[in-house]
Amino acid sequence: GDSVTQMEGPVTLSEEAFLTINCTYTATGYPSLFWYVQYPGEGLQLLLKATKADDKGSNKGFEATYRKETTSFHLEKGSVQVSDSAVYFCALSDLTGNNRKLIWGLGTSLAVNP
Amino acid sequence: DAMVIQNPRYQVTQFGKPVTLSCSQTLNHNVMYWYQQKSSQAPKLLFHYYDKDFNNEADTPDNFQSRRPNTSFCFLDIRSPGLGDAAMYLCATSRDYAGKASYEQYFGPGTRLTVT
Repeated sequence: GDSVTQMEGPVTLSEEAFLTINCTYTATGYPSLFWYVQYPGEGLQLLLKATKADDKGSNKGFEATYRKETTSFHLEKGSVQVSDSAVYFCALSDLTGNNRKLIWGLGTSLAVNP
Repeated sequence: DAMVIQNPRYQVTQFGKPVTLSCSQTLNHNVMYWYQQKSSQAPKLLFHYYDKDFNNEADTPDNFQSRRPNTSFCFLDIRSPGLGDAAMYLCATSRDYAGKASYEQYFGPGTRLTVT
């Protein structure tokens, strides 16, 4: 079945460092891909999305490009801030059955130190 | 602003005492979901409503039930909470009309359930 694999955390960076969180997927067909962010004690927020190959999603300085050839959707940010400390989840739309569901990665915790 | 609202944000219940969590939305989305999340793990889908149609996940315990009286509201009932049911419960919505789904889900802030 379809699946999402994220790099394990926690990731610890200094402020203004470059961030990459790897996400690869296995899917039949052409799913939509998402990054969600969860700040401590809060619900999940959609950070960005891409719906087809070579699409680049971007928001709040974060970017991710839908790479069909490498089945990847890595999250990047050029200069992280302390306020970016959160858990990041990669997800894809489940097209194999009920396409109203999302398939989730395990999440990557990011801590940014001042 | 259109949003997903969950009440209460924090709920404490006793072992075995029924509890209801509520979710409302102003997005006018026709699909509503309930997830359970423990310790910042990936959220685990319990069930979802597509309009009025209820869709249970195969591994959701019978202890968990849901009601959706109208488009805007959805409830999660835990009939006899156990200590293992302590978690964050997340409500989400999405739009799926005439087979044209937007796929992304919009989440509420969650209700953190403590079982004593």
